[in-house]
Amino acid sequence: DTAVSQTPKYLVTQMGNDKSIKCEQNLGHDTMYWYKQDSKKFLKIMFSYNNKELIINETVPNRFSPKSPDKAHLNLHINSLELGDSAVYFCASSQERNIQYFGAGTRLSVL
Amino acid sequence: LAKTTQPISMDSYEGQEVNITCSHNNIATNDYITWYQQFPSQGPRFIIQGYKTKVTNEVASLFIPADRKSSTLSLPRVSLSDTAVYYCLVAPNNAGNMLTFGGGTRLMVKP
Repeated sequence: DTAVSQTPKYLVTQMGNDKSIKCEQNLGHDTMYWYKQDSKKFLKIMFSYNNKELIINETVPNRFSPKSPDKAHLNLHINSLELGDSAVYFCASSQERNIQYFGAGTRLSVL
Repeated sequence: LAKTTQPISMDSYEGQEVNITCSHNNIATNDYITWYQQFPSQGPRFIIQGYKTKVTNEVASLFIPADRKSSTLSLPRVSLSDTAVYYCLVAPNNAGNMLTFGGGTRLMVKP
């Protein structure tokens, strides 16, 4: 039974399109996150969402928007996709900040 | 957030003990030291966390000297399946804040 699940695992799309990545956690955690891992393998935090409080990394373009219908879900919506958005996106959740549980990742390719 | 410095890569052989050291000279009083492991095509996985002295679990040991300006992750008797990237993080243990992952150490275990 997967603790943090993301869908889809792979996403290939054209520039300019809008896409969403879904994330669900069944751990009962209060905080969820989205990370971006680029081709150089650096893992960068994008958002943190805790009890309806959103903390945004200021370097994230406003084309990226997290949406949380409830505590167990944090989806990532991306508008007007660009080539530079190609990366692996990881969802994570935690109860204690430094112990985070990650999903398997969504590999996004923008053509 | 305290900045961390760790070797870019390390090589080892099966059965050997591997020690990966992380420097964090400006660690704050309320910072914890946390290590994650990431296999190719997977999300990072929590390994171990400590504040001071020594912590041991079924996967690894974490050694932290009295001044806490560095820490060493020790993997006993590594196998090929321990080939991964290992990340050292230093931050307060408060939920909802955002972690910064550095470049990590790429460990290659050879037969």
